[in-house]
Amino acid sequence: DIQMTQSPSSLSASVGDRVTISCRASQAIVNYLAWYQQKPGKVPKVLIYSTSTLQSGVPSRFSGSGSGTNFTLTISSLQPEDVATYYCQKYNNAPFTFGPGTKVDIK
Amino acid sequence: QVQLVQSGGEVKKPGASVKVSCKASGYSFTSNGISWVRQAPGQGLEWMGWISAYNGDTHYAQKFQDRVTLTTDTSTSTAYMELRSLRSEDTAVYYCARDYWSGKYFYEYWGQGTLVTVSS
Repeated sequence: DIQMTQSPSSLSASVGDRVTISCRASQAIVNYLAWYQQKPGKVPKVLIYSTSTLQSGVPSRFSGSGSGTNFTLTISSLQPEDVATYYCQKYNNAPFTFGPGTKVDIK
Repeated sequence: QVQLVQSGGEVKKPGASVKVSCKASGYSFTSNGISWVRQAPGQGLEWMGWISAYNGDTHYAQKFQDRVTLTTDTSTSTAYMELRSLRSEDTAVYYCARDYWSGKYFYEYWGQGTLVTVSS
């Protein structure tokens, strides 16, 4: 099975900072990658799918890029409401594995 | 509007089984598959398996292959997840989630989650 890794596992940044989260697949997954945001006690929310397509209603400060095995989620200007854990997920074929998550908070 | 409503929390003893339901509404049930994802306390999301609501085809994570069964009842638009031989490590919130659309196995719609507690 393809393994998903994320880095860093956590980060602390200031409001307005540019934040980058990396996700790596152990084998190529073309562009079948989604990103989710999960706030404490809440259900995950899809932010981006197909590596770079922004889900309807998601602020444009979120963007995704990459292909093959290396992918990135970028928050262009971190806002207080972005404090959450972010997960990548591969969905080219089963198992549709999630990455271990990156916890983002405000410095 | 699309809704996935899960059954209530459960407390089970080690070695028992649990069956969680996920009732769908607001869309044609057989048009999208359903995945099950769990989250242990303070831990990340763990994908468990997927079922086609159209024909019952399933895919399971290797970790759960021998202990989990996913089923659907198209007459009631309900998906079920049964986990057997429970151990304390299975204590988690279990979510059902609907495929974005057929063949796109990521999730816009999630159930509210069902807490399963395994304790003697």
